[in-house]
Amino acid sequence: DADVTQTPRNRITKTGKRIMLECSQTKGHDRMYWYRQDPGLGLRLIYYSFDVKDINKGEISDGYSVSRQAQAKFSLSLESAIPNQTALYFCATSDLWDRGHTGELFFGEGSRLTVL
Amino acid sequence: SQQGEEDPQALSIQEGENATMNCSYKTSINNLQWYRQNSGRGLVHLILIRSNEREKHSGRLRVTLDTSKKSSSLLITASRAADTASYFCATDNFNKFYFGSGTKLNVKP
Repeated sequence: DADVTQTPRNRITKTGKRIMLECSQTKGHDRMYWYRQDPGLGLRLIYYSFDVKDINKGEISDGYSVSRQAQAKFSLSLESAIPNQTALYFCATSDLWDRGHTGELFFGEGSRLTVL
Repeated sequence: SQQGEEDPQALSIQEGENATMNCSYKTSINNLQWYRQNSGRGLVHLILIRSNEREKHSGRLRVTLDTSKKSSSLLITASRAADTASYFCATDNFNKFYFGSGTKLNVKP
């Protein structure tokens, strides 16, 4: 089983619908991240969480919300989806590594979202 | 945006040749990491270099870091067809990771 699991892997929805992307991890990491990837733009940070009670906005949080239900679960919601939120979404986890700094990121396989 | 920039955007080489990718970034960093992504898949960590290190090796990978120029390079030696993928640098700034736009490497057999 994958260490970082994202569901659904693919979703097609319509403008205005609410969508939730879920992420669960078995690595025991405190730190979890949501990124979106668009062609030619690399990955952009949407939200991140350093523990269950800590939620922070990233570069592009407008139009998104998150919930950290447990150490192992971090969900991303689009309250009212719009076409320019069509993208590949990645969840990632990490742990403290060196002198309080974060080590490598472990990624899920991605959730491909299409908003029509 | 705090994203870095990779150069070149695309690189096509023959198997056995070396591949060099460059990354420039904008802010101060704690460390810089390189990741690989096979088409449409999740990213996989390749190597991490701390801000006080200048060069690091791992197998066929060599990474350099120049914090005065805010730049890094990734060298893949003796490339193989299986190295075909996109490569991204990621800068760690206060435990948040910012990614560049990536270099798409094609290694022809």
